[in-house]
Amino acid sequence: AQSVTQPDIHITVSEGASLELRCNYSYGATPYLFWYVQSPGQGLQLLLKYFSGDTLVQGIKGFEAEFKRSQSSFNLRKPSVHWSDAAEYFCAVGDYNTDKLIFGTGTRLQVFP
Amino acid sequence: DTGVSQDPRHKITKRGQNVTFRCDPISEHNRLYWYRQTLGQGPEFLTYFQNEAQLEKSRLLSDRFSAERPKGSFSTLEIQRTEQGDSAMYLCASTRGAETSYTFGSGTRLTVV
Repeated sequence: AQSVTQPDIHITVSEGASLELRCNYSYGATPYLFWYVQSPGQGLQLLLKYFSGDTLVQGIKGFEAEFKRSQSSFNLRKPSVHWSDAAEYFCAVGDYNTDKLIFGTGTRLQVFP
Repeated sequence: DTGVSQDPRHKITKRGQNVTFRCDPISEHNRLYWYRQTLGQGPEFLTYFQNEAQLEKSRLLSDRFSAERPKGSFSTLEIQRTEQGDSAMYLCASTRGAETSYTFGSGTRLTVV
């Protein structure tokens, strides 16, 4: 069955520090992979996506993610975190046929000044 | 392109009452999705439409839930005889499909008291 695991429920970093949020997926074929960000009480905003091709994908707000098939991972990174990055981050895998998304449980990012 | 609109943003209802939510997708998007998100969890798939056809329903969608998309435009999600366990954020999203990304609405937060 398709699934997404985000092992870190809560991460705290200092502003300006680097960030890596982990995501592992289970899917029977080459997956569509996504990272979304959600601010409190808001809908989800797409940060970046991987469909095929280059395994290092660039997204908005300075985020990037790397698809590693051998590790079934799609970790999100940012070299220098800003206070405005504090939010909930969700990794998701997409179904080819239906475009249905399976989400992880999310990682809450807290940023200290 | 005005994005995906959801109405209302918030709904408080008494247990046992019926509620209906509306979603207006991006006009050229033929696929429309409903997700439910409870506190501390990622969104969970409920159902989706391609044009006016409802193609898949999750086991999460009990008999008390019904969704429609007349004429392949806006969609409604109705919950009959609401229960406290129905309290959640209900998210709508639309896409053109074929490797394109979702656009999510801001959601309707339902509180059943």
